[in-house]
Amino acid sequence: AQTVTQSQPEMSVQEAETVTLSCTYDTSESDYYLFWYKQPPSRQMILVIRQEAYKQQNATENRFSVNFQKAAKSFSLKISDSQLGDAAMYFCAYRTVYNFNKFYFGSGTKLNVKP
Amino acid sequence: DSGVTQTPKHLITATGQRVTLRCSPRSGDLSVYWYQQSLDQGLQFLIHYYNGEERAKGNILERFSAQQFPDLHSELNLSSLELGDSALYFCASSVRLAGENGYTFGSGTRLTVV
Repeated sequence: AQTVTQSQPEMSVQEAETVTLSCTYDTSESDYYLFWYKQPPSRQMILVIRQEAYKQQNATENRFSVNFQKAAKSFSLKISDSQLGDAAMYFCAYRTVYNFNKFYFGSGTKLNVKP
Repeated sequence: DSGVTQTPKHLITATGQRVTLRCSPRSGDLSVYWYQQSLDQGLQFLIHYYNGEERAKGNILERFSAQQFPDLHSELNLSSLELGDSALYFCASSVRLAGENGYTFGSGTRLTVV
């Protein structure tokens, strides 16, 4: 069964600094998608970034980038130039190409941003 | 506003009662997914509907049921409520069966069972 592990329940970063959130997953599939979602205090779940497993190039979205290590089954999120608005819960999620009905979510990492 | 509308935002009810949570997907989205977010369980997949048909079930209790109507809105029915059912219930939608670009989530319904 697929599992997603976020080993950092909470992290803190100084405003304007860089922080990396970790995520590992377990799967026997070769094709899949990986996602990072942000959940601010408003409770909304916002898609931050996605990565297709067949792509070797790491995805980037403005200040957000990932370090995708397929062999290690690792998918970390780097937030550069952290802003106060980045403070939120961040969830890593996995979905295979074939089991499109559901995502597997990690338990989340709470990110605090200090002014 | 993500385009996915969930009502009500908050719900407080007593044990043993029954409630209905409603979700209107983003315009054009045919798939609706329900998730439960408990404090210690993270996000758990409950059920998926596509264009009115149930497509997959996850960790959904027999006391829970759902349906998707012809206008594509969906309802999640929770009955014989227990204290442990207190959670945030999310609805998410995607255009097709496969959410390659991820889901669009609603803002959730906070259910408190007392």
